[in-house]
Amino acid sequence: EVQLVESGGGLVQPGGSLRLSCEGSGFTFSDYEMNWVRQAPGKGLEWVSYISTPGGTVFYADSLKGRFTISRDNAKNSLYLQMDSLRVDDSAVYFCATTRYGSGSPHFASWGQGTLVTVSS
Amino acid sequence: DIQMTQSPSSLSASVGDRVTITCRASQSISTYLNWYQQKPGKAPKLLIYAASTLQSGVPSRFRGSASGTDFTLTISSLQPEDFATYYCQQSYSTPITFGQGTRLEIK
Repeated sequence: EVQLVESGGGLVQPGGSLRLSCEGSGFTFSDYEMNWVRQAPGKGLEWVSYISTPGGTVFYADSLKGRFTISRDNAKNSLYLQMDSLRVDDSAVYFCATTRYGSGSPHFASWGQGTLVTVSS
Repeated sequence: DIQMTQSPSSLSASVGDRVTITCRASQSISTYLNWYQQKPGKAPKLLIYAASTLQSGVPSRFRGSASGTDFTLTISSLQPEDFATYYCQQSYSTPITFGQGTRLEIK
């Protein structure tokens, strides 16, 4: 069974940094493209970032403006999100999710339970 | 960026009802359209991918369809566990974008 467990969330001051982790188990982590998706309190889903299987290709939401960095360590079955220059509006639950392909269409088949990031002074 | 517009934003219905949620893309996305269900405090769950393919384990009362840039999620006979928020998502191009969500409530 695919399992994804996020960690690293917490309370941080505006301008601060945080590093989120997502550990995968029950599947061959290195075979899966990965994503981060966030959800602000009471709001909808917002895709944050994508990383390819070896990690050489990454994409980000335009709104992040270079403040976040996605990476992975396949030897540790882990995905990361380094978040710098955090703003109040970055407060959200952050989910990691696997990309799967079916009928040619990529979709987010498995999700972690999320980790809460609160940016506040 | 591709905008995804869902309607309605909220919907009240009863157990046994048939409900339809619509998602419109701002440009052609072929059938790169997925539907997710989310319950409070939980992660989203994939229901349908590629516009009309049912994810394994999802009940057959859920159906997806497409017509041009319009996509529809239909639940044929609502069950108590179906009351949740539903999101469409386009995966045609980055940035990947979601609809704003449709909250399905019990009447």
